[in-house]
Amino acid sequence: GAGVSQSPRYKVAKRGQDVALRCDPISGHVSLFWYQQALGQGPEFLTYFQNEAQLDKSGLPSDRFFAERPEGSVSTLKIQRTQQEDSAVYLCASSFSDRNYNEQFFGPGTRLTVL
Amino acid sequence: EDKVVQSPLSLVVHEGDTVTLNCSYEVTNFRSLLWYKQEKKAPTFLFMLTSSGIEKKSGRLSSILDKKELFSILNITATQTGDSAVYLCAPNSGGGADGLTFGKGTHLIIQP
Repeated sequence: GAGVSQSPRYKVAKRGQDVALRCDPISGHVSLFWYQQALGQGPEFLTYFQNEAQLDKSGLPSDRFFAERPEGSVSTLKIQRTQQEDSAVYLCASSFSDRNYNEQFFGPGTRLTVL
Repeated sequence: EDKVVQSPLSLVVHEGDTVTLNCSYEVTNFRSLLWYKQEKKAPTFLFMLTSSGIEKKSGRLSSILDKKELFSILNITATQTGDSAVYLCAPNSGGGADGLTFGKGTHLIIQP
């Protein structure tokens, strides 16, 4: 595809439900990042993959958040037992190099609303 | 802890005006600073700055970095309504997380 794609674009979940958010990075991009963007704020880093290896998960807010990229391409961000404070836009970005010295290309995001 | 402060947080100007957006930062092991424009969806890349004092230019937009004083500015001349967006500054730190640390952004509104 031409860019980073994410699905679903919108997700409404009841508190306590599990959700899975998908990211398809640009083909061949080594690095993949997940960010959480609350309303009126800049994106906040969650986790980083280099190929299939999750090299940094220091931004994940709790152990309810889990991310994987098993084949070094598509990534899934899973949130278990969702809470209202998880409501945000979740952005995925990819970069062709193994360090983000170069620009990151962002997907359109998934807007998660937890009721 | 990395810190990024953007100012102003919001700005309303008329078409044709020139605006200057500011970004100051404190990060460990600074590598580069990126500017993004965010409309309703994903941030789109504008500039990456690595060296002090060298202006990067793209059309009516330009940006410069001062690594000694730890800030960057983004200039937009002859603004148009299509420039209305949130402008995000993101220094890239080699220390700690590999992700970008974003500021809260400047919400720019261009009135016709």
